[in-house]
Order: sequence, then C-alpha cells, then structure tokens
Amino acid sequence: DQQVKQNSPSLSVQEGRISILNCDYTNSMFDYFLWYKKYPAEGPTFLISISSIKDKNEDGRFTVFLNKSAKHLSLHIVPSQPGDSAVYFCAALGGSQGNLIFGKGTKLSVKP
Amino acid sequence: DAGVTQSPTHLIKTRGQQVTLRCSPKSGHDTVSWYQQALGQGPQFIFQYYEEEERQRGNFPDRFSGHQFPNYSSELNVNALLLGDSALYLCASSYRTGNYGYTFGSGTRLTVV
Repeated sequence: DQQVKQNSPSLSVQEGRISILNCDYTNSMFDYFLWYKKYPAEGPTFLISISSIKDKNEDGRFTVFLNKSAKHLSLHIVPSQPGDSAVYFCAALGGSQGNLIFGKGTKLSVKP
Repeated sequence: DAGVTQSPTHLIKTRGQQVTLRCSPKSGHDTVSWYQQALGQGPQFIFQYYEEEERQRGNFPDRFSGHQFPNYSSELNVNALLLGDSALYLCASSYRTGNYGYTFGSGTRLTVV
C-alpha cells in the first residue's frame, strides 16, 4: 500500500526544455514534502521542499507545486540540463519523529 | 566537513548469516536513520536512533536491529539473512528527531547469495 506514488518510472527531455516530474500521495495528514535527486553510487541529495501551507516553492531552476485537494505535487525544472539526469524521488514527512516516506522514483534523462 | 560515512560500500553474504553495517553521521548531527532501498524501489524507513535509543521503527522484522553509540555513530545488524534482504542500505543523519535537514550517505550495497 504505497502512500507516495510516482507513476512515471522514466522521463526523457531535450536540453533547454522543461522537465515535469509528478507525485501523488494518499495520506491527507502529510504536511511536508521533499524532492531528492540521486546519482548512481551516491546517496539521495536534497533538492527542494514544500510545506502544505504553501502551493509553490521556487529555488533557481527548480519549482515545486502542491495541489492539496488533488493530493498531487510536481517538480518543474527549467531549463533542463544534461547534469540534471538522475533519479528523482518524491518524499513525504511522516510519523511523529519525521521519517521520510518515498515514492519509487522517476529516472530523468536530459538529452543534449 | 565530512558528510555521512558508511562502511563497507559493498558486501556479499550467504543466506542465514548475520551482517553489521556502520554509519558515521555528519558533523553536528545527533540522529541517525536507516533506510533500505531494494532494486527499482524508493528507500524504505527501517528505524531511527536518537540519544542511543530507537525512537521510531518502520515495518521491518526483529531480524533488523540497531545501535547508536555515544559519539552518535550507528550500526545496523541483520540476522538470519534472506535473499530478499539484498538491497542498498542508506544511512541518513540529522540534528534532532523530526528535523527536515537529512543528509544521506552513499549506502552499503548488500548482496545475499
């Protein structure tokens, strides 16, 4: 029973274009969401987060949008660069002590 | 400033054996969480240690146990290994529990044969 779902296992985008990665969640009690980026042979690195009191958070080329009524969030990368090629994980902060609940990830490939 | 250090990087064990994985948290961090990432899956929470006690536990059997030392480093022990325990084991550290500033290590790749 997955509480955080990333339904697209992979996404291919041309360099300079927009990448949109999607994430759905089922638990309406989640109030904080994070995106992590993972390169092969490395641990996940934090990218950007959003609190449920906001519907948008922006950091440079990365913007996360949250639609609470739809229990949906998305990560936009503009413009996409070849170095952005990695696996992107959506995560929700769950539990009283703050454990992370991850989706299965989406592998982004940015073609030059 | 060293980040999270995990050892070993790779490990091969036989079914039924026991394994110990180690983690040194980032400087200034006092909380360690362990995650299991099976192939094609996202990381799954195993447990979290703070002040040398297990504070939270995910849906993992008692074969998975841990320890935190006074210097905040941590060990993950898995007994009676099964083939299905083959995975990447990630350690994440943070300052205090419930803190959103998690830093992950590169993981230990465990293969059970």
